[in-house]
Amino acid sequence: NAGVTQTPKFRILKIGQSMTLQCAQDMNHNYMYWYRQDPGMGLKLIYYSVGAGITDKGEVPNGYNVSRSTTEDFPLRLELAAPSQTSVYFCASSPQLNTIYFGEGSWLTVV
Amino acid sequence: AQSVTQPDIHITVSEGASLELRCNYSYGATPYLFWYVQSPGQGLQLLLKYFSGDTLVQGIKGFEAEFKRSQSSFNLRKPSVHWSDAAEYFCAVAPKAAGNKLTFGGGTRVLVKP
Repeated sequence: NAGVTQTPKFRILKIGQSMTLQCAQDMNHNYMYWYRQDPGMGLKLIYYSVGAGITDKGEVPNGYNVSRSTTEDFPLRLELAAPSQTSVYFCASSPQLNTIYFGEGSWLTVV
Repeated sequence: AQSVTQPDIHITVSEGASLELRCNYSYGATPYLFWYVQSPGQGLQLLLKYFSGDTLVQGIKGFEAEFKRSQSSFNLRKPSVHWSDAAEYFCAVAPKAAGNKLTFGGGTRVLVKP
């Protein structure tokens, strides 16, 4: 059971670089999400998607972009990385109703 | 504004003792309510959820939570903790009109003493 798979697990970026965090789910869930978790804080929603071709902003979308070309994949793109984007990123998915399944996280450091 | 508060940042409990984690929410109407656990270096795992009905909800790993509308609370309890319960616990809520958009509390880190 793969569930929600995120890659990479760890990454160090230099300021101004770009990268994409990959997320894939094999549960045929319509809803997918990207959250970030800062030390000592709860998770904050960056972007979410209710289905292929549909995305919307969450609480903290600035500095990020997403796309949802298939049901399975929901990549998160960081353009012009900044130190404030140092965080742990969690991808998640859910079926129509309200049980969200999380990936194991991607630790990103921007130096 | 909608918010979720977990008043205790850290709790230390002895193995075998009982545990209660507090969660208070501020919403216009009763939302969906969740508790998640996060072990070090891991993603979040759902412990239990409340949608409606019986206000005492049973979850996995021996946890339960009680919804109290009058107090806008959804506290998590376990009668006897095990060393493996050391983790961070997050309360989360989602409005029934947008049940897939969770708002998380700041978390409570639980340490278990031998």
